[in-house]
Amino acid sequence: KNQVEQSPQSLIILEGKNCTLQCNYTVSPFSNLRWYKQDTGRGPVSLTIMTFSENTKSNGRYTATLDADTKQSSLHITASQLSDSASYICVVSGDSGYALNFGKGTSLLVTP
Amino acid sequence: KAGVTQTPRYLIKTRGQQVTLSCSPISGHRSVSWYQQTPGQGLQFLFEYFSETQRNKGNFPGRFSGRQFSNSRSEMNVSTLELGDSALYLCASSFQGASTDTQYFGPGTRLTVL
Repeated sequence: KNQVEQSPQSLIILEGKNCTLQCNYTVSPFSNLRWYKQDTGRGPVSLTIMTFSENTKSNGRYTATLDADTKQSSLHITASQLSDSASYICVVSGDSGYALNFGKGTSLLVTP
Repeated sequence: KAGVTQTPRYLIKTRGQQVTLSCSPISGHRSVSWYQQTPGQGLQFLFEYFSETQRNKGNFPGRFSGRQFSNSRSEMNVSTLELGDSALYLCASSFQGASTDTQYFGPGTRLTVL
């Protein structure tokens, strides 16, 4: 069964600090992996999308890495801001069909 | 460019009723996908429509159905509502498809079933 596991489930950090969120998956064959940010009460917003051949992709202070051999991805947030407080969702797309596999998200709280 | 819009934003229904939710994609996008989001299960894929055809379907009962019109606008219908259908329903649009393109999400419709 295709699965996407995210860790930690929740995280609290001080403003200005860095943090790393993890995503492990068993989806096979693999097509692409995405990270979304979802603010409370809003729809998710795409941060990055990576295919098999890409191992790093940045979007401002967000940097996603992908190791397709170990089926692991991470999202690194640099110099966190209060506005980074949100849920971060990892989504993995398989190569067959169009089904997307969602992680349950990591809830990040950035405190002053 | 206007973003994805969903109507209504909030809805309260009772068990056994049916409900129709609407989604207008970004202009030029032909793919519309629907998702259910609950605190316990996270985001779950319902179905995807592309050029008026259902292209993929998640593991939801037949009470959940949808359609897409020629202008790419999409509707989702849930019949015989159950308490467990209370959730945030999100739609997302993309140019070529949910599995390949960046998806743009709407703000969601919050459905409460009493």
